[in-house]
Amino acid sequence: DAGVIQSPRHEVTEMGQEVTLRCKLISGHNSLFWYRQTMMRGLELLIYFNNNVPIDDSGMPEDRFSAKMPNASFSTLKIQPSEPRDSAVYFCASSFSAETNSPLHFGNGTRLTVT
Amino acid sequence: DQQVKQNSPSLSVQEGRISILNCDYTNSMFDYFLWYKKYPAEGPTFLISISSIKDKNEDGRFTVFLNKSAKHLSLHIVPSQPGDSAVYFCAASYGGSQGNLIFGKGTKLSVKP
Repeated sequence: DAGVIQSPRHEVTEMGQEVTLRCKLISGHNSLFWYRQTMMRGLELLIYFNNNVPIDDSGMPEDRFSAKMPNASFSTLKIQPSEPRDSAVYFCASSFSAETNSPLHFGNGTRLTVT
Repeated sequence: DQQVKQNSPSLSVQEGRISILNCDYTNSMFDYFLWYKKYPAEGPTFLISISSIKDKNEDGRFTVFLNKSAKHLSLHIVPSQPGDSAVYFCAASYGGSQGNLIFGKGTKLSVKP
């Protein structure tokens, strides 16, 4: 089992550019979570999906952020246009089901720097 | 308003001694608590959990204690090893949903040889 795979590991971009972060779930997992980690706010849930359906996107900071699950094993988080305050580490995590207490399995994150 | 608080940003312990990491919460609805461990440049990894119907859960060197009346939980590591040096996150949820999982900001543990 390869675990949750995120790409890229690092992304440096200029303000105003579009950024796309990618995540591959663990095979057999049905729920997908996007988190953002900053020094000020810690780990915050942005959005989560169950069986490819977005369940709660109330953590998405602005309309500039969007997330999709084009299939059961893959997700993208897009920021358009990006701003310096979006700089953070973005994690995705998967689990068997969002409606259980089964632990989340995190990827190694994407460190985003917007200049 | 932080619902899950880890008031100690860092902790230093000698190898072989006990490490005690603390976590406080404010939401009475929380009924499931977890600890995650994170090494630099990696994602958090699940360590141990406890349901609110219990007050203790043990897994090898790791024990989590829950005091519901005080809204407090702690993670004990005995004996501490240098490989335990990492950031430890406390997290809490309710209603069996990971969608409301709230993380603390973490405590960085350093275990010195």
